Amino acid sequence: SQTIHQWPATLVQPVGSPLSLECTVEGTSNPNLYWYRQAAGRGLQLLFYSIGIDQISSEVPQNLSASRPQDRQFILSSKKLLLSDSGFYLCAWSVKLAGQETQYFGPGTRLLVL
Amino acid sequence: AQSVAQPEDQVNVAEGNPLTVKCTYSVSGNPYLFWYVQYPNRGLQFLLKYITGDNLVKGSYGFEAEFNKSQTSFHLKKPSALVSDSALYFCAVRVYNNNDMRFGAGTRLTVKP
Repeated sequence: SQTIHQWPATLVQPVGSPLSLECTVEGTSNPNLYWYRQAAGRGLQLLFYSIGIDQISSEVPQNLSASRPQDRQFILSSKKLLLSDSGFYLCAWSVKLAGQETQYFGPGTRLLVL
Repeated sequence: AQSVAQPEDQVNVAEGNPLTVKCTYSVSGNPYLFWYVQYPNRGLQFLLKYITGDNLVKGSYGFEAEFNKSQTSFHLKKPSALVSDSALYFCAVRVYNNNDMRFGAGTRLTVKP
């Protein structure tokens, strides 16, 4: 069966510091991978998605970047965090089914920027 | 472009009563519709989806949803609510060959004993 991992679970970082959040998927090959941000326990905002290694699409301009150095690894980064980067970050994966696929979410990382 | 609306921020029901969480959508083309549930400080869990076929879709934990094309709705329902159903519920929509899944703002369901 497939599993998705995210770490760390919680992170407190000062403004201006760098960020690296990691997401890995097990039990599947060549998945689509996604990064979302959820603010204040409400709606999800799609940040990045990836259909393959080194293939990243950005949905919104922002202070963040994403990389996919391996098939089942998706990393969310920032060189300098802003206060507004605080939130709950969710990684998700799906198989490729022309839009019909279900996305499965990781447990999330709660980021607090002070 | 596709979008989803969940018109209710909060839904309160008594345990044992039926529950409905509303969702309407707007897409160009045939929609793929999803419901997810989120418990506190957790990721989203998939409940059910509509792709094609029977308009009534049955999912996890006794939930079901009805696709209504004329009303562009996909309301989530359960005949008898449990206190443990209390959570945040998200509706989402996508269209063919589109990686962009749009989520609604979420509806907080509270089931009181």
